[in-house]
Amino acid sequence: SQQGEEDPQALSIQEGENATMNCSYKTSINNLQWYRQNSGRGLVHLILIRSNEREKHSGRLRVTLDTSKKSSSLLITASRAADTASYFCATTTSGTYKYIFGTGTRLKVLA
Amino acid sequence: DTAVSQTPKYLVTQMGNDKSIKCEQNLGHDTMYWYKQDSKKFLKIMFSYNNKELIINETVPNRFSPKSPDKAHLNLHINSLELGDSAVYFCASSQGTSGLTQFFGPGTRLTVL
Repeated sequence: SQQGEEDPQALSIQEGENATMNCSYKTSINNLQWYRQNSGRGLVHLILIRSNEREKHSGRLRVTLDTSKKSSSLLITASRAADTASYFCATTTSGTYKYIFGTGTRLKVLA
Repeated sequence: DTAVSQTPKYLVTQMGNDKSIKCEQNLGHDTMYWYKQDSKKFLKIMFSYNNKELIINETVPNRFSPKSPDKAHLNLHINSLELGDSAVYFCASSQGTSGLTQFFGPGTRLTVL
């Protein structure tokens, strides 16, 4: 299966703490994206990191990419209750049009 | 002024029926997608159209037939519905096919009884 994998599957933290979730994938990629899905909603794009980049920041989000290990991590700093959602990574490969999504991490931030 | 909209939001139907889900985007994108998200939250690409041309057709039963009347619309018709078709179906769009940001619709929850 080409499905990426994320860990942990579920994460529960206190408001104000940092949350880290990881994504591993199987093939060489063009870029990797992180999406958030609130319960009962569609996915919302958070950040994109290209295969030649190692780290990217956007507000409280920090994404790293290690192509040698075929893995990425998403760090959310100073988490808020509103960050409670499922987080998915998605990869694209040169020459194909497909986005391969990971299995998702369910994050719960307790107020 | 919703960017990607889907109708209906919920669809409950009997096995064997035929149903359609509609998707429209007002972002001016040229590529649209259908995804299926199962009960374990796995999100799997089904189809993709670029400028009304089918470019991705995953291993999906031929009971599923997408139709793109124009760049802004991608509908999904499902014949002879089965229990295993129950899932949430998401439409998405992007500009181009080179793996950039996708914008997702709110989803259609299909329940087959």
